[in-house]
Amino acid sequence: GAGVSQSPRYKVAKRGQDVALRCDPISGHVSLFWYQQALGQGPEFLTYFQNEAQLDKSGLPSDRFFAERPEGSVSTLKIQRTQQEDSAVYLCASSLSATAYNEQFFGPGTRLTVL
Amino acid sequence: KQEVTQIPAALSVPEGENLVLNCSFTDSAIYNLQWFRQDPGKGLTSLLLIQSSQREQTSGRLNASLDKSSGRSTLYIAASQPGDSATYLCAFLHNAGNMLTFGGGTRLMVKP
Repeated sequence: GAGVSQSPRYKVAKRGQDVALRCDPISGHVSLFWYQQALGQGPEFLTYFQNEAQLDKSGLPSDRFFAERPEGSVSTLKIQRTQQEDSAVYLCASSLSATAYNEQFFGPGTRLTVL
Repeated sequence: KQEVTQIPAALSVPEGENLVLNCSFTDSAIYNLQWFRQDPGKGLTSLLLIQSSQREQTSGRLNASLDKSSGRSTLYIAASQPGDSATYLCAFLHNAGNMLTFGGGTRLMVKP
């Protein structure tokens, strides 16, 4: 079956540009997570959705970062006025249930390079 | 705040060796622990998941243990193969939240 997909796989942006990263979770998965992975480091939590509700955005590094999941399925992570420190791999994960912890399944990530 | 440390950061071994990857954490209030594998340019593949009430899990040549009292987990890989070359990440689900907290990873190279 289809796993978590992300697009684009690679994105190069000039400093100051806005970017939008897309995540298609596994069909029927209630929970969706975004993580940021800097080069040579482990992923760090950004934000969490349960259906369309954004329940935790404590990991978003600045107000330039915005995430949405309007219909409780596809999610978009938007970064405004990109900076060089935003260069990283952005990973999306989904899990089946909201009431009890289920394994998170990760997408391949979007590698963002800000020049 | 949970801090997760993985040692060593990088490891190179000849094929066939048994090896141990270490993961330590500062907050014992964990719900479960996962070990992931990450290949270059790819996402994360879950290898083993240990619930907080368990002490170990096994899958094939992999064995993961959890000792909450000492704040440590180990991933044991038996009879390593070149195909095991990847970055291995441990991650914790804290009792109070849904997000995973990751260590920095161990980059493993198994030489033929």
